[in-house]
Amino acid sequence: DTEVTQTPKHLVMGMTNKKSLKCEQHMGHRAMYWYKQKAKKPPELMFVYSYEKLSINESVPSRFSPECPNSSLLNLHLHALQPEDSALYLCASSQGFSSSSPLHFGNGTRLTVT
Amino acid sequence: GENVEQHPSTLSVQEGDSAVIKCTYSDSASNYFPWYKQELGKRPQLIIDIRSNVGEKKDQRIAVTLNKTAKHFSLHITETQPEDSAVYFCAAQNNNDMRFGAGTRLTVKP
Repeated sequence: DTEVTQTPKHLVMGMTNKKSLKCEQHMGHRAMYWYKQKAKKPPELMFVYSYEKLSINESVPSRFSPECPNSSLLNLHLHALQPEDSALYLCASSQGFSSSSPLHFGNGTRLTVT
Repeated sequence: GENVEQHPSTLSVQEGDSAVIKCTYSDSASNYFPWYKQELGKRPQLIIDIRSNVGEKKDQRIAVTLNKTAKHFSLHITETQPEDSAVYFCAAQNNNDMRFGAGTRLTVKP
C-alpha cells in the first residue's frame, strides 16, 4: 500500500497527444515532487511545489507543465512529447515543514511515447 | 546545485556477508541523508536516514554513518539475505531539494 496515489499506472501516447498525470496524497504534506526515472538510472528531479507554489524547476522542457491545484493534488500535463521522454514518472511528497523529512513515493506512471 | 556520487555501482556478496555502499555530496548546506531501496518495477522505499547533527544510526541489520567534515556517508548492511537484493540509492537534501546518487545494484547470492 502506498499513501501517495498516482494515476494512470501505464500510459501510451503519441507525439501529438495531450495527456495528464495525476498524483494525490492525504498525509497533510506541503511539499510535492515530480521525478523522472529512466531504466537503471536514479530518479531525476523535475519540479518541486512547496505550499502549492513552484519552488524548483530543473530546466524541464516546456512540453512538461506542472500544476498544483491544492495541497493534496499534483498534476503533470504532457504535450508534444518525444520518444526519449518515455520513462517512469514518480510523484512524491514530504512534510515540507523542515528540510529533513523523507520523501514518500507513489508507484509511478510508466509512460511510453510512440 | 547538489551533486551526489555513489560507489560501487554493482556489489555482489554471499548470503551472511556484509555490504557497504558509500556516497559523497558536494553541498555543505545539505542536512538530511536518506537511503532508499528500489526493487525491480517498484517505487523507491526509505530504509534508513540520518540527519546532519548525528554521526551514526542503526536499525537492526542496517546502519548509516555520516562524516560531515568530509561530506561522506555510508550504508552498512550486515548478515545479508537474498531479499536484500535490490538497487540502493543514497540521497542528500537541502530544504526541499532532494538529489539522488546513481544507485548500487546489490546482489546477495544464497
